[in-house]
Amino acid sequence: GAVVSQHPSRVICKSGTSVKIECRSLDFQATTMFWYRQFPKQSLMLMATSNEGSKATYEQGVEKDKFLINHASLTLSTLTVTSAHPEDSSFYICSAHVWGLGDTQYFGPGTRLTVL
Amino acid sequence: GQSLEQPSEVTAVEGAIVQINCTYQTSGFYGLSWYQQHDGGAPTFLSYNGLDGLEETGRFSSFLSRSDSYGYLLLQELQMKDSASYFCAVRDTGGGNKLTFGTGTQLKVEL
Repeated sequence: GAVVSQHPSRVICKSGTSVKIECRSLDFQATTMFWYRQFPKQSLMLMATSNEGSKATYEQGVEKDKFLINHASLTLSTLTVTSAHPEDSSFYICSAHVWGLGDTQYFGPGTRLTVL
Repeated sequence: GQSLEQPSEVTAVEGAIVQINCTYQTSGFYGLSWYQQHDGGAPTFLSYNGLDGLEETGRFSSFLSRSDSYGYLLLQELQMKDSASYFCAVRDTGGGNKLTFGTGTQLKVEL
């Protein structure tokens, strides 16, 4: 099946630093990937759609200058949380829509970000 | 916009049958999906209904009624490992294959 990986799985950083999270499709090419944020006991909230070779599309209320997305190849999208603050602490998950498999999205294992 | 409502928690005993409901309000509709998420883990796809009726996949079944804007996930022969959060989701009709997730239901399976 379609496998999506994320790195790192956990990261702890100091307030004001930037953190980069990688999302890779391991056995397929993904022209489109999605980034979600999930707070404890809550649902997944879509942050942005990452498109290979073009600018990401951000959801309303998500700051594009704070959450930088780069989709430089068909197998890699990165999310950089710039100048992180404690309120950015969350579970960040990426996914890819796989064409030909109906309405399925395949999710990465997620990255737990803790900002001190 | 899209909104999907689910009960926040459901508790059942091992071996029982449980139904998790999802009611939705959407500007368009491409079908209802269900995902399972264990604590700290990634959501995994369970089932998809594009048309009205029941879809069965092993112990899990999913039902859709488009006229009622309603669907449910049915879990049979509950096992302890089924304790997880369950989310319904709809695909955005504006293109781009974005998913909007429901509020989520935490299922607790007890002995």
